Amino acid sequence: EAAVTQSPRNKVTVTGGNVTLSCRQTNSHNYMYWYRQDTGHGLRLIHYSYGAGNLQIGDVPDGYKATRTTQEDFFLLLELASPSQTSLYFCASSDIIISNERLFFGHGTKLSVL
Amino acid sequence: GDSVTQTEGLVTLTKGLPVMLNCTYQTTYSPFLFWYVQHLNEAPKLLLKSSTDNKRTEHQGFYATLHKSSSSFHLQKSSVQLSDSALYFCALNQSSGSWQLIFGSGTQLTVMP
Repeated sequence: EAAVTQSPRNKVTVTGGNVTLSCRQTNSHNYMYWYRQDTGHGLRLIHYSYGAGNLQIGDVPDGYKATRTTQEDFFLLLELASPSQTSLYFCASSDIIISNERLFFGHGTKLSVL
Repeated sequence: GDSVTQTEGLVTLTKGLPVMLNCTYQTTYSPFLFWYVQHLNEAPKLLLKSSTDNKRTEHQGFYATLHKSSSSFHLQKSSVQLSDSALYFCALNQSSGSWQLIFGSGTQLTVMP
C-alpha cells in the first residue's frame, strides 16, 4: 500500500501568520496533490504537480503557494493565513497519468486560523 | 465544465437495511467514476471504480453500475453494517489533457443499531 505522510497533523495559527504544510510520499509516484476538505464542498483541489519543480494550479488556488522540491516532497504554503483557510488539508499521490488511476491520501492536516 | 453531484448530504439508516447513495456527473469526455470512503479521522481511500457502461462493479459488499445514458454511478449495499458509517465521495476523472479528480460534496452515512 502506498504511503503518504503529512505533517503536522494539527496546526493553529493567527490571521496573517505563515504556515507550511508538508507531504512526503515514498512510492515514487509522479503526481502529488493538495486538497482542502470542507463540509458541503467535498474535496477541492488547490495545487498539484507531476514532478520535481513542476506546479499546476487547481480549482481553489487563491491564497496558497506550493512547491515540489523532490519527487517525494510537496509543500503547501500559506503566507498570510486567513480564517477562511481553516480547513482539513489532504495530500495525495498517484502514479503516471492513467485515466483510472486511484489516489493515495495522507491522513490530513487540520489547520485552524484564528 | 465537468461536475459531480451528490444530492444527499446526510443519510441515516438502521443496521441491516439497504442503502443507495446517489451520484450523477457531467462531462464531455469518456468518464471514469470512483467512490471513495473516509472513516472518522482516517484518510479517504478508494472503494470502487468503473469506466465500463452498464457493468456492475463490487467491493466489500458495495456495488455500483456506471450508466452513461443517465450519467449516474449510484453506490448501493443490500444490508448496511455499523462499520459502514463513513463519509462517501463520488469522483470523476477529468481526462482532458491534465489529470485531475473532481469530487462531489460527499454523503455522510450513519448506521444506527
